[in-house]
Amino acid sequence: AQSVTQLGSHVSVSEGALVLLRCNYSSSVPPYLFWYVQYPNQGLQLLLKYTTGATLVKGINGFEAEFKKSETSIHLTKPSAHMSDAAEYFCAVSDQDDMRFGAGTRLTVKP
Amino acid sequence: DAGVIQSPRHEVTEMGQEVTLRCKPISGHNSLFWYRQTMMRGLELLIYFNNNVPIDDSGMPEDRFSAKMPNASFSTLKIQPSEPRDSAVYFCASSLRQIDEQYFGPGTRLTVT
Repeated sequence: AQSVTQLGSHVSVSEGALVLLRCNYSSSVPPYLFWYVQYPNQGLQLLLKYTTGATLVKGINGFEAEFKKSETSIHLTKPSAHMSDAAEYFCAVSDQDDMRFGAGTRLTVKP
Repeated sequence: DAGVIQSPRHEVTEMGQEVTLRCKPISGHNSLFWYRQTMMRGLELLIYFNNNVPIDDSGMPEDRFSAKMPNASFSTLKIQPSEPRDSAVYFCASSLRQIDEQYFGPGTRLTVT
């Protein structure tokens, strides 16, 4: 069975600072990995996905993630936080038999 | 495509009443998911369908909840009878295949008084 662990339910950064949101997963087969963002009063939107190939994946809004198989991780980063990045971020894993979302990390951006 | 469409966007009902939430997935998508989101429990998968067939309903809270997908373009989630603890935002999402990225609707905010 799969599992997804997002480290830190809340992360706070200053505007212009590096954003780092951590996600570890477990899966018995090579999975597909996703990051989603949820703004207040909206549904989840896809930020980026990893399937196969290049381990550095670029997403929307300046976010990117690096897949590290040895660490079973896909941490999400953005070099410089913007006030508009304040939202909840979800990591997710799927394979042919199952799919799971992490518990989410709420990102706060301080002026 | 218009994206995943959910209706109603807001529903306020009294305890004991029947509630029906509706979802139209993106055309061509073969998988459909129903989620519930609350502050206390976060995002919970209730049920998902592949090719209109329910695959996993282990997340459905109890017999008061039921979901159907009579065709590829329509699904319903019904709560009968409703209770205050059912108050939440209910999301529908669809994907091309179960393994692929999901596209979420705007959600239905349900309040049961």
